[in-house]
Amino acid sequence: DAKTTQPTSMDCAEGRAANLPCNHSTISGNEYVYWYRQIHSQGPQYIIHGLKNNETNEMASLIITEDRKSSTLILPHATLRDTAVYYCIVSRFSGGGADGLTFGKGTHLIIQP
Amino acid sequence: NAGVTQTPKFRILKIGQSMTLQCTQDMNHNYMYWYRQDPGMGLKLIYYSVGAGITDKGEVPNGYNVSRSTTEDFPLRLELAAPSQTSVYFCASSHGQGESRIYNSPLHFGNGTRLTVT
Repeated sequence: DAKTTQPTSMDCAEGRAANLPCNHSTISGNEYVYWYRQIHSQGPQYIIHGLKNNETNEMASLIITEDRKSSTLILPHATLRDTAVYYCIVSRFSGGGADGLTFGKGTHLIIQP
Repeated sequence: NAGVTQTPKFRILKIGQSMTLQCTQDMNHNYMYWYRQDPGMGLKLIYYSVGAGITDKGEVPNGYNVSRSTTEDFPLRLELAAPSQTSVYFCASSHGQGESRIYNSPLHFGNGTRLTVT
């Protein structure tokens, strides 16, 4: 699976849009971009995924650049409960291969009141 | 649906003791996984299973064993606990079957077992 690069931490004001970037310059044509988050001490929670088109669901939007080398997760109206570590993962399969999904250190998003 | 349930939530073991971490899911998912997460680090895959009777090693299988006798249950066994196994253990499942579900079936995680080996 391709490697991803994310900022270590970010701050965002409550009520504003949180934009979390992810670089995946070595992504292959058949690899998807998956986003998960982990709220303190809990198990990771799936947010959204996409291949090349932008995607939106009730939690977030995912914008993938045309060359697919980077993406941005957008939480449109961040709340304090969105404070978490956000993981950007690139994989051919939603469960990953024999090594599973590569959960790196992610981005620690802190929503400020 | 309860989703993925892990027991116990916390456990302290002495070096050399053994224990089984339980994981059960009620979503009829075929794929199940065990991850460990060390403090401040990402998750690493220990073992996974694509269906009852089938298990495979992940990235860090040493010191662990698994079995998958039913679709619902995927227990993780530690035979001789070592301090290096102090970690938080997460079980996850996904549907997995069918062309689109291989890509589009996200992982569902339990809330973890916090294990300390002293």
